[in-house]
Amino acid sequence: EAQVTQNPRYLITVTGKKLTVTCSQNMNHEYMSWYRQDPGLGLRQIYYSMNVEVTDKGDVPEGYKVSRKEKRNFPLILESPSPNQTSLYFCAIRDRSQETQYFGPGTRLLVL
Amino acid sequence: GNSVTQMEGPVTLSEEAFLTINCTYTATGYPSLFWYVQYPGEGLQLLLKATKADDKGSNKGFEATYRKETTSFHLEKGSVQVSDSAVYFCALLYSSASKIIFGSGTRLSIRP
Repeated sequence: EAQVTQNPRYLITVTGKKLTVTCSQNMNHEYMSWYRQDPGLGLRQIYYSMNVEVTDKGDVPEGYKVSRKEKRNFPLILESPSPNQTSLYFCAIRDRSQETQYFGPGTRLLVL
Repeated sequence: GNSVTQMEGPVTLSEEAFLTINCTYTATGYPSLFWYVQYPGEGLQLLLKATKADDKGSNKGFEATYRKETTSFHLEKGSVQVSDSAVYFCALLYSSASKIIFGSGTRLSIRP
């Protein structure tokens, strides 16, 4: 069964303090992506990666960075977090031959 | 461009009531269509899907039929339970190489 792990699950930080949210998978899927979920806005894609060393911007990439140095990990980096990045973040994976997307449990971030 | 529109919530029903959550889409060609469900405190998980016109996806008593003529994929359940309380997302995937596009989500609450 596909498993997507995110850490931490909850994080409170202050404006400007760099943070990283990790995402790892146990399925060797090529496609990984990050979303943020905000009330009334549904899910918006931040960044995605089609394979190792291949990353692309989603719909709301400003203020975020990602890297894909190995297939199983896809960390989300906030170099200088701001309060408008307070949100619920989800990592997701998908095998390109399949269509089902599997989501991690979410990371709730509060930026003060 | 491709988009998904679903009915706004919240939707509140009594147990054993009939449920319909409307979803319409805009896309060129023949996308695959999905319903995802998000239970409180969890990530999204696939509820059902349909990959071509007139297909019916079903799971856990929920059903949705891919209607190309009306570009719709409405979610239905004949008799809802309290445990069905969750947020439901309609989504489409244009191709295996593209991203999944989500609707804004519909919160469903079921009263005992």
